[in-house]
Amino acid sequence: EPEVTQTPSHQVTQMGQEVILRCVPISNHLYFYWYRQILGQKVEFLVSFYNNEISEKSEIFDDQFSVERPDGSNFTLKIRSTKLEDSAMYFCASSEDNYNEQFFGPGTRLTVL
Amino acid sequence: TQLLEQSPQFLSIQEGENLTVYCNSSSVFSSLQWYRQEPGEGPVLLVTVVTGGEVKKLKRLTFQFGDARKDSSLHITAAQPGDTGLYLCAGPELEYGNKLVFGAGTILRVKS
Repeated sequence: EPEVTQTPSHQVTQMGQEVILRCVPISNHLYFYWYRQILGQKVEFLVSFYNNEISEKSEIFDDQFSVERPDGSNFTLKIRSTKLEDSAMYFCASSEDNYNEQFFGPGTRLTVL
Repeated sequence: TQLLEQSPQFLSIQEGENLTVYCNSSSVFSSLQWYRQEPGEGPVLLVTVVTGGEVKKLKRLTFQFGDARKDSSLHITAAQPGDTGLYLCAGPELEYGNKLVFGAGTILRVKS
């Protein structure tokens, strides 16, 4: 069964450093998303991406964040200068189209020291 | 902003018991999705309900969408230890949007 994959599973970084989280969405899906979950809190939407551009973003997704589809399979989330409060699980998701179910990857645990 | 409230927050039961968890909102949702999440892993989609009053069954799990599409429930019959996990409901913030809003979840523990 096709699934969303994410790497790395765990990333530890120093405050102020840049990190890139990687995702491979399900191959025939056209819509891609990033969500995050701070420990003990709700899953929160960050951004959605379609046709090589951002279709929607939350207020969390400020200038420190960017997304990219560098090739036909990968979808990345970059945080330019990490803060302590960026520590969270980051989930990538994908869907066939705008109204279809979203399938989530296993997540990347980001720890900012 | 549409909110989803889940109850109870935590449920601990014995193997073989039945249980129901709830997902409520004051807003209408075009659909609701139920996910199960294990610690340190991503949410796994269980079901999507779309039509008011809809009932869907997945083995021992029964999902219902309220007639007004403001609430949903998940009923588990004869719970097993393998059902242990965090159950999340989620729905699109806007009728034609793809931004999901999530409830805080119900932590279910089934003891053998």
